[in-house]
Amino acid sequence: AQSVSQHNHHVILSEAASLELGCNYSYGGTVNLFWYVQYPGQHLQLLLKYFSGDPLVKGIKGFEAEFIKSKFSFNLRKPSVQWSDTAEYFCAVNAGNQGGKLIFGQGTELSVKP
Amino acid sequence: NAGVTQTPKFQVLKTGQSMTLQCAQDMNHNSMYWYRQDPGMGLRLIYYSASEGTTDKGEVPNGYNVSRLNKREFSLRLESAAPSQTSVYFCASSEITSQPQHFGDGTRLSIL
Repeated sequence: AQSVSQHNHHVILSEAASLELGCNYSYGGTVNLFWYVQYPGQHLQLLLKYFSGDPLVKGIKGFEAEFIKSKFSFNLRKPSVQWSDTAEYFCAVNAGNQGGKLIFGQGTELSVKP
Repeated sequence: NAGVTQTPKFQVLKTGQSMTLQCAQDMNHNSMYWYRQDPGMGLRLIYYSASEGTTDKGEVPNGYNVSRLNKREFSLRLESAAPSQTSVYFCASSEITSQPQHFGDGTRLSIL
């Protein structure tokens, strides 16, 4: 079955540190890839998406992600985190033949210390 | 712009009781979804409706039923609640299934 793995369950960083959150998926066909963020007590919001084209995609709030097809990966990055980035981050994959189902990773909780 | 509205926001049930969670979207989206979120497990799809008049099972459909009442509304029903269904439930919608989903604020459901 298709699966999405996020390697880090909890990441703790100081402000201004660089961030990279890993995401790997198991499906080998055409995929749409997403990163969502959930701030404490809030609903999920879209950070960025990849459908096709340039494998380096930029999202809101200075986040970016790189799609590496050969590694089945879609890692999220930010050069310099802020305290306000404290949240849970979810990678999600929609495969072409899955009838629209989004498969989510387990989530990575990011805590940024001021 | 309300987006996706879920009611209620909180609910406590006793084992065996029934309950319907309501969801409505005002974005004219075709597709709607119900997820549950449990610690360390991400979001798991319960049911979805790719378009008005259709519903399909997701990863964890057992113990739930859904109704796509019209294009705007998609309800989730627990016929006989069990403690294992204690969770936070999110409704979402998207223009079509391949497009990004917009989420509601969630319903925190506790079953005693």
